[in-house]
Amino acid sequence: NAGVTQTPKFQVLKTGQSMTLQCAQDMNHEYMSWYRQDPGMGLRLIHYSVGAGITDQGEVPNGYNVSRSTTEDFPLRLLSAAPSQTSVYFCASRKIRRRDTEAFFGQGTRLTVV
Amino acid sequence: DAKTTQPNSMESNEEEPVHLPCNHSTISGTDYIHWYRQLPSQGPEYVIHGLTSNVNNRMASLAIAEDRKSSTLILHRATLRDAAVYYCILPRTGNQFYFGTGTSLTVIP
Repeated sequence: NAGVTQTPKFQVLKTGQSMTLQCAQDMNHEYMSWYRQDPGMGLRLIHYSVGAGITDQGEVPNGYNVSRSTTEDFPLRLLSAAPSQTSVYFCASRKIRRRDTEAFFGQGTRLTVV
Repeated sequence: DAKTTQPNSMESNEEEPVHLPCNHSTISGTDYIHWYRQLPSQGPEYVIHGLTSNVNNRMASLAIAEDRKSSTLILHRATLRDAAVYYCILPRTGNQFYFGTGTSLTVIP
């Protein structure tokens, strides 16, 4: 199984540009989420989805949009990139929204905004 | 929502056991205790989880205090590959995973 796949692995953007970070999972997981990780810090939840057509905000949603049109894909959109969004982004999925299921994480997208 | 507290860093000699503590004094009766680790430049990976009883798997053991206010992740024989940041997580309302800063484990050859 491929698990959780994120693309691209690296990206450099100019301030004001927009882009979409892709996340796909092949495990038929209902629950997907996006995190960002700044240097020396833990992961912070940006947005999450409990199924196709359903999304909600996490801790740090400002500046990001998400949508979930299929079970497999959960793209994260940066509307107008800012240097403060320089970070490593991780996508995760879980089978169902239960407290005893494990999460699977992608390898991350390292984003630099100049 | 219950909060977790972990030491910022720990060291261990290679091939010795490692005990990574986590305090969660405000844990509720239905909160599961999850542990994840993050190797350098990688995404977090699942290690183990439990509710009340001690748990074992191929990677580690989880010892949960009787009052559930603390738990300990046990790596039975640390290897260099175990050098990582270890996160103790109690899924919050809505079952979202909220990460703290975790414990950075250094394994000394």
